[in-house]
Amino acid sequence: NAGVTQTPKFQVLKTGQSMTLQCAQDMNHEYMSWYRQDPGMGLRLIHYSVGAGITDQGEVPNGYNVSRSTTEDFPLRLLSAAPSQTSVYFCASSYSIENYGYTFGSGTRLTVV
Amino acid sequence: AQSVTQLDSQVPVFEEAPVELRCNYSSSVSVYLFWYVQYPNQGLQLLLKYLSGSTLVESINGFEAEFNKSQTSFHLRKPSVHISDTAEYFCAVKPAGNQFYFGTGTSLTVIP
Repeated sequence: NAGVTQTPKFQVLKTGQSMTLQCAQDMNHEYMSWYRQDPGMGLRLIHYSVGAGITDQGEVPNGYNVSRSTTEDFPLRLLSAAPSQTSVYFCASSYSIENYGYTFGSGTRLTVV
Repeated sequence: AQSVTQLDSQVPVFEEAPVELRCNYSSSVSVYLFWYVQYPNQGLQLLLKYLSGSTLVESINGFEAEFNKSQTSFHLRKPSVHISDTAEYFCAVKPAGNQFYFGTGTSLTVIP
């Protein structure tokens, strides 16, 4: 089915390790974003992209990198994992965020020990 | 930056009773407004949205929300809740630009 696919669903990292959270959508959406969800803090924007080759920082970008080489994929890289990055990460995409809002993936639960 | 306030972190309500989930936002300039629902261990799903026109918007499952510009509010209501409505509800605001701003969420628990 069409939608936003995130992998992995669960991940445990040791402090200092790096990893990439994968996000892919097959709806030809130009707009893609990464959010983290923490208890009592709602969703906070990490990075977003308005099209292939174009990315920008959100509210909490430190410690994360992104790239957008294709319309379909928007991976999120943790450069050197820290316990503060323990969170649930959501990827979202939209054809037009004003008119349609977001389509969200099912999330990646990351624990950094 | 825009801020979104959901005053109630948890709302317990009996089945078939009415419910209101409150949402206020900081800016009075032109914004788009959204409510999302998150069921356990799932991503967020769009419930309803206000873009322009009628200030009362409805979802397919009986929820409605009213945009009040003077009070900068977008409260979500349902006249009679069901067990299946138990979920986390997020209010979101999109001002001009490319960013959404989400509230901290309200956990709705429907009690049989």
